[in-house]
Amino acid sequence: AQSVTQLGSHVSVSEGALVLLRCNYSSSVPPYLFWYVQYPNQGLQLLLKYTSAATLVKGINGFEAEFKKSETSFHLTKPSAHMSDAAEYFCAVSGYSSASKIIFGSGTRLSIRP
Amino acid sequence: DGGITQSPKYLFRKEGQNVTLSCEQNLNHDAMYWYRQDPGQGLRLIYYSQIVNDFQKGDIAEGYSVSREKKESFPLTVTSAQKNPTAFYLCASSIEAGGNQPQHFGDGTRLSIL
Repeated sequence: AQSVTQLGSHVSVSEGALVLLRCNYSSSVPPYLFWYVQYPNQGLQLLLKYTSAATLVKGINGFEAEFKKSETSFHLTKPSAHMSDAAEYFCAVSGYSSASKIIFGSGTRLSIRP
Repeated sequence: DGGITQSPKYLFRKEGQNVTLSCEQNLNHDAMYWYRQDPGQGLRLIYYSQIVNDFQKGDIAEGYSVSREKKESFPLTVTSAQKNPTAFYLCASSIEAGGNQPQHFGDGTRLSIL
């Protein structure tokens, strides 16, 4: 069985500060891992995807995430926060088979202080 | 532009009434999904369809029904048996079913009880 845990339902940072959103996963097989972003009253938009090709994955809007197997983590970072980054962020995990479904974390709301 | 269109954006249901949420995609994707989003709970899978004329129950299918008569359409009916239907409903699609395929989302339908 697979699961994903996002640590911190709400994170607040100052504009220009480092953004770090934490995600830990549980999977009995090598996983696929995703980060999605959701702006208010909209659907989810893919930020980046880990597929085992490289442990450091670069995504859109300056975000990146690093896969650490020893820590079962896939934390999302951005060096310098912008006001437009305020949104909810979801980490997700799935397996390899065609029957695998994506399991979403409960989300982390990111607020940016001016 | 290709994408997923959900309608209506807001929907109100009376007691004992069935309501249908529309989801249309022009991405030529085989797989489609319905999720329910409640505050602080992330996304929960209601139904999914890997291919036209086929669909499977997700984790919370009770009180919901779907059909997949056309590749581009995957409507969701919230029946009167669903006692707590107030939520944000998201439709998604992917090129094919499988854990490595990212999902593309519509902008959601917010359902409330009158």
